[in-house]
Amino acid sequence: GAVVSQHPSRVICKSGTSVKIECRSLDFQATTMFWYRQFPKQSLMLMATSNEGSKATYEQGVEKDKFLINHASLTLSTLTVTSAHPEDSSFYICSARDQGDTGELFFGEGSRLTVL
Amino acid sequence: LAKTTQPISMDSYEGQEVNITCSHNNIATNDYITWYQQFPSQGPRFIIQGYKTKVTNEVASLFIPADRKSSTLSLPRVSLSDTAVYYCLVGDTDDMRFGAGTRLTVKP
Repeated sequence: GAVVSQHPSRVICKSGTSVKIECRSLDFQATTMFWYRQFPKQSLMLMATSNEGSKATYEQGVEKDKFLINHASLTLSTLTVTSAHPEDSSFYICSARDQGDTGELFFGEGSRLTVL
Repeated sequence: LAKTTQPISMDSYEGQEVNITCSHNNIATNDYITWYQQFPSQGPRFIIQGYKTKVTNEVASLFIPADRKSSTLSLPRVSLSDTAVYYCLVGDTDDMRFGAGTRLTVKP
């Protein structure tokens, strides 16, 4: 089946630094990718919808200047957490939809961010 | 946006059949029903998707009544490795918000 790869799987950074997380669709082209954040024992919270070649659509309450999303190609979307703080520590997950698919999403393995 | 309601948690024993029901009273005509499984520190994994009636694959069955206001995921003969959180998603291709999910614990 289709594979979505995230990198890095784990990252630890100091408060105030920026961290970039990549999401790649390995064997299909994805016009739409989704970014989620998940805190311990909670469900996935949709942060933004990333569309190739256009600006991402952010969910209410998600700061677009803090969580920069770039979807420059049909196989890559990036999420940059700018000026990270300890409260940004979370599990970030991306998903991508095959251009020809009717709705099934393929999820990445997730990236655990720890901000010290 | 079709809001979903699932039981917060369920317990079962190895070898039993487990049925998890999801309520989605305001499902729209174009909405599909999709179930995902998530293990700790992993991304969700697709289980099954349906629109109406019954769908079966190698791991589960999905039962959807005629009014489509609910759906039931059926896991036959669960094992310890089926312990996970199960999410029901209802929506079209551009609306993929997760509900709270059901935490299934399979005991020996």
